[in-house]
This record gives sequence, C-alpha cells and structure tokens, in this order.
Amino acid sequence: DAGVIQSPRHEVTEMGQEVTLRCKPISGHDYLFWYRQTMMRGLELLIYFNNNVPIDDSGMPEDRFSAKMPNASFSTLKIQPSEPRDSAVYFCASNHNTFEGRTQYFGPGTRLLVL
Amino acid sequence: GQQVMQIPQYQHVQEGEDFTTYCNSSTTLSNIQWYKQRPGGHPVFLIQLVKSGEVKKQKRLTFQFGEAKKNSSLHITATQTTDVGTYFCAGRTNAGKSTFGDGTTLTVKP
Repeated sequence: DAGVIQSPRHEVTEMGQEVTLRCKPISGHDYLFWYRQTMMRGLELLIYFNNNVPIDDSGMPEDRFSAKMPNASFSTLKIQPSEPRDSAVYFCASNHNTFEGRTQYFGPGTRLLVL
Repeated sequence: GQQVMQIPQYQHVQEGEDFTTYCNSSTTLSNIQWYKQRPGGHPVFLIQLVKSGEVKKQKRLTFQFGEAKKNSSLHITATQTTDVGTYFCAGRTNAGKSTFGDGTTLTVKP
C-alpha cells in the first residue's frame, strides 16, 4: 500500500483565499483524522471520521474550517477565508479499528503558509 | 478535559548516553502510543501499551506503562545519531479520544 496520501505537499496562499487540503487514507482503514502541528501549539486533533461520518469536530478552531469525507477513500479540509495564523503543517492519519488498538498511520503532511 | 504532559521538552545528549522521556495523563488511559517524528517528517508509530505495568522492548528502546495507567516512559539506551527527533506519546481514554503530549525533542552530539 502507498500509505496515506496528502496533497498538496506545500501550499502558499494569501490571506483571505480559500485553501483545500486533500487526503486519501490507507485502503480498508475506517478511521480518518486531521491534525494541525505548529511550534506553539504542538500536534492538535482537529476532527476525525469513522466510516465517513464526522465523530468529533471539537478541535476545529472556528467556522472558517470545514472537513468532509464523501467516501471511504477521500477527505478534504477546507479553510475559508484563510488567515496568517492558520500557517501550520496539516497531517491526515488513518487507522483500522482492531481489537489491539488503533495505530495511526500519518501522511507526509501539507505545509501551509498564509501570507 | 484530558491533558497529557510530557517532559522534558528538550534533551541534548552525547552519543552513547541514555535518554528518557516521561508522559503523564490527568486521567486513566485505556492505552498509550508512542511516535517518533524526524525533523521535517511526520509522526511514525513506534509502539502501543495496553496493560497496567506493561514493559516492551524494541532493541535499545524500552517502553513502560504505569500500574495506574496514567503515566508512561520511553528509555533509549546508548543513544545514536539516528535517534534524533521528537518523541510523542498519545494517550487514549475509554471514551475513545486520543490526546498527544507536546513531545520531547532529542538531539545527539556525535
């Protein structure tokens, strides 16, 4: 398997623009997570899905952020409008609900810079 | 809400010295996971601990889960330059939510 795939790998945009981050989880995984990582706040869970349904979005910072998972192989995280404080690395991760636990496999991340 | 504290924040060692990072949760955990993130990379799963008092070893790495399932540690014996990176713990409660610690960044001087 190719692992978790994220695109784009790097994004530079101007304040006020819409940003869409994409994720393809590992085939067969039924959980998908979106994280944000910054030096100041560390690794934060934004939202996670189970079987394409959003389960917990309490980490989504504000209404400018939205996430969707239209099918088992694709998810998007959208920021509209973007602000400089949204600059961060955004990771997508997926796992399979096994008895042993839930090892999370992270994608390579999208490095977002909002000017 | 659940808090996971990790110490120290940074650790600089001479190659060959030992290294330990500690993770403490404000609530009892159902399991804890450890990840390593190399500079510029993404977190990579190392191990998961589930049982009270559990100890697991991976070559020079030793992972422990406390008896009360509220704390954990990662110990590296005789560090090497390849051990450089940030080590994160992630504690999961019975409610199903995982919280990451802030990580311990290890640098190793050759």
